[in-house]
Parts: sequence; structure tokens; C-alpha cells
Amino acid sequence: GENVEQHPSTLSVQEGDSAVIKCTYSDSASNYFPWYKQELGKGPQLIIDIRSNVGEKKDQRIAVTLNKTAKHFSLHITETQPEDSAVYFCARRFDDYKLSFGAGTTVTVRA
Amino acid sequence: DAGVIQSPRHEVTEMGQEVTLRCKPISGHNSLFWYRQTMMRGLELLIYFNNNVPIDDSGMPEDRFSAKMPNASFSTLKIQPSEPRDSAVYFCASNLGPGELFFGEGSRLTVL
Repeated sequence: GENVEQHPSTLSVQEGDSAVIKCTYSDSASNYFPWYKQELGKGPQLIIDIRSNVGEKKDQRIAVTLNKTAKHFSLHITETQPEDSAVYFCARRFDDYKLSFGAGTTVTVRA
Repeated sequence: DAGVIQSPRHEVTEMGQEVTLRCKPISGHNSLFWYRQTMMRGLELLIYFNNNVPIDDSGMPEDRFSAKMPNASFSTLKIQPSEPRDSAVYFCASNLGPGELFFGEGSRLTVL
């Protein structure tokens, strides 16, 4: 179906620790998986994305992994900092233009 | 680059009133999307325009909602008459082809 399941819904980590968010989907036609970060009072902003022909992508402290066989993808944030506190959304693209979003994960980084 | 610009940022109105939300996409982008965000339903796609033409409005809740894109630099989302259950944050987003989707800062609507 169109839905993306995202876990956990909330995540509290100590500054400097890692945070991992996981998403699963069921439609094997999906080929593009972006992650968005939404800060309070702002719109979602793309932080990293991955396409189906790639298994892993890294950008500084952020990495995304994709397992197309198992239909799940994950966001990894290492060495977390207070400014990483936000709501994170995974998404998958289908029908060429539609993005189906997960329910979001509220990440709190404790100083 | 100014980004996607939405107005108003906040709107408080009474049930039954007409609400018009406005969006200016990023210059050069050919696709425009309207999303609604609520705690219960998350981010929902309401309508998608490509080259100013509505392609998919299957997410528009009911006939009280309508959207237009008279030109490449302007779109409106109208709710008439508004109801308390329409209270949400409405986002406009734009992109070029299959590229990165850029969101505006949203219009927070409260219908009393």
C-alpha cells in the first residue's frame, strides 16, 4: 500500500550518542526515499535521500541505509548535538511524483 | 533564493467563513503541491499541479476545498465554508521534475 511505517515515534538521546530511526514500506515499486527534518514552526526540509539502486549514503554525521529486499530504510545520526532536536520524517515516492510520509519521530537530544 | 513563500502564516477564523491560503513557488519550479499536516493524520497530499495544471486532486477532502494555479508563480488553496476540523497547518511545496521537494513555512489555520 501507500503507507510508510516509522519507528520510534519519540527518541531521547544523550548528546554525543547516536540516533536511529527506521521505516518500512510494502510497495516494491518505490525507488526514492527522502528524509526530512522539521523544526518547530517551520516546514520540513530535506536532509538526505537515497535511491533504490544504492544501499547506503552518507553526509557528514547523517547516513541512510536501504534494504530493498526487506523493504526498510533507516536514518542514522551520529555524535548527536542539541541542534539535531526536531521531528524527522521518512518518505517514499510512488506514482512518479507522490511522496508518502511516515508519521514522524520526535528526537530530543539531552545536553 | 527566497524559497517557497506562503501567506498568511497564521489565520484564525470562525466556522463558516471563507479562507484563502496563498503560495509563491520557487522560480523555475514546474511542480507545486499542497499538503495538510495534523497530529492525527500527519502530512497528507491535497493536490498536485504540474506546469500550472492540476494533475491529482484526489487528496482534497471535499467540495469545500478548491485550489488554483493561474500562473507559474502563484497558487491558492480556498476553503469555503470553513469548519473546525479544517484546523491544521497547510504547506505548499515545489520542485523541478523529480528533484528535491522544497516546503514553505506553512500557514497555520485555526477555525473556531
